[in-house]
Amino acid sequence: AQSVTQLGSHVSVSEGALVLLRCNYSSSVPPYLFWYVQYPNQGLQLLLKYTTGATLVKGINGFEAEFKKSETSFHLTKPSAHMSDAAEYFCAVRRVYGGSQGNLIFGKGTKLSVKP
Amino acid sequence: DTGVSQNPRHKITKRGQNVTFRCDPISEHNRLYWYRQTLGQGPEFLTYFQNEAQLEKSRLLSDRFSAERPKGSFSTLEIQRTEQGDSAMYLCASSLGGQKNTEAFFGQGTRLTVV
Repeated sequence: AQSVTQLGSHVSVSEGALVLLRCNYSSSVPPYLFWYVQYPNQGLQLLLKYTTGATLVKGINGFEAEFKKSETSFHLTKPSAHMSDAAEYFCAVRRVYGGSQGNLIFGKGTKLSVKP
Repeated sequence: DTGVSQNPRHKITKRGQNVTFRCDPISEHNRLYWYRQTLGQGPEFLTYFQNEAQLEKSRLLSDRFSAERPKGSFSTLEIQRTEQGDSAMYLCASSLGGQKNTEAFFGQGTRLTVV
């Protein structure tokens, strides 16, 4: 079975500070990993994804994430937080069964607050 | 293409009533997913279509829930005899499967409140 754990339901940073949102996964097969962002009363927008290849993945809005197999982690970072980054962030792994790719399995989310 | 569209955006209903939500996926996408998101939680998978075939249903999908995707285009999710526990955001997502596999694109969701 595959699963995702996001450490910290709330993270607060100052504007201009480093953003680090933690995600650990469990998977018996090579995982496809995703980070999505959700603004209040909105759907989810893809920030970035890891499928195969380069382990450092760059996404939109200056975010990036590094796939570390040895640590089973896929942490999301941004060097300098902006007020507009305040939102909820979800890490997800794509479920694989019977050789087919299926639905996404999400973590519980981390709400990011940015202080001026 | 304007992305995945869901209607209505908000629905308030009395307990015991039936409700139906609609999802229009990105036109060339053959896969369509429904998820449910409750407060403080990540989205949870409900069901999945490939074209018009419903290939998988989560155990979360009780017999009061039914989903269809006629002709492999739009999809509807119906909840019969709604309960207060059904209050949630219902999200639809679509993707392109096969060799041109893409990530899932989400709609803005339908927020259901059962009073």
